[in-house]
Amino acid sequence: NAGVTQTPKFQVLKTGQSMTLQCAQDMNHNSMYWYRQDPGMGLRLIYYSASEGTTDKGEVPNGYNVSRLNKREFSLRLESAAPSQTSVYFCASSANLWGTDTEAFFGQGTRLTVV
Amino acid sequence: GENVEQHPSTLSVQEGDSAVIKCTYSDSASNYFPWYKQELGKRPQLIIDIRSNVGEKKDQRIAVTLNKTAKHFSLHITETQPEDSAVYFCAASIYGNQFYFGTGTSLTVIP
Repeated sequence: NAGVTQTPKFQVLKTGQSMTLQCAQDMNHNSMYWYRQDPGMGLRLIYYSASEGTTDKGEVPNGYNVSRLNKREFSLRLESAAPSQTSVYFCASSANLWGTDTEAFFGQGTRLTVV
Repeated sequence: GENVEQHPSTLSVQEGDSAVIKCTYSDSASNYFPWYKQELGKRPQLIIDIRSNVGEKKDQRIAVTLNKTAKHFSLHITETQPEDSAVYFCAASIYGNQFYFGTGTSLTVIP
């Protein structure tokens, strides 16, 4: 049981390049999320998916796109990277059921630098 | 959407003292409030949570209190130890969906 797995762990991009961050969970969770973490700003929600086939914008969606490929996988795409997107990105998932397992579980993070 | 504010941003305490971190939220529909601990270079991990039908919850040295009327909840750590040093995040959620986080508190426990 790996939980939430993100790839890659580190990435350096040049301004204007594109890339996709991959995330997969093996906990049969309904909801998946992408957050970015910047110093002093906490964890800000970029996009989320409440169930397979649905995606919605969070607090800071500009410059990003997402795909909920299936129940397990939720990818984040940067079409034209900008230095302002330098950050640590976390994928998370939750059951989205009002039961005992309510918390969000996080992946190990991707440290992205855009130069 | 939900807005979660967290204070203080940094906190230093002597080992053995207590630490208190406070959060407020804006959406009265929020009913689930988890607290996460993030050690340097690691992922956030849940340490305690509380639901809106409960006013207080304890787990050994950690406790969380919730005031729904004031839309305010707090994390209390007693008898702090150096291994409690980390960044702590509060969050608010509706039924465990769309978690919105505070900006974090960097806690340093001085031996």
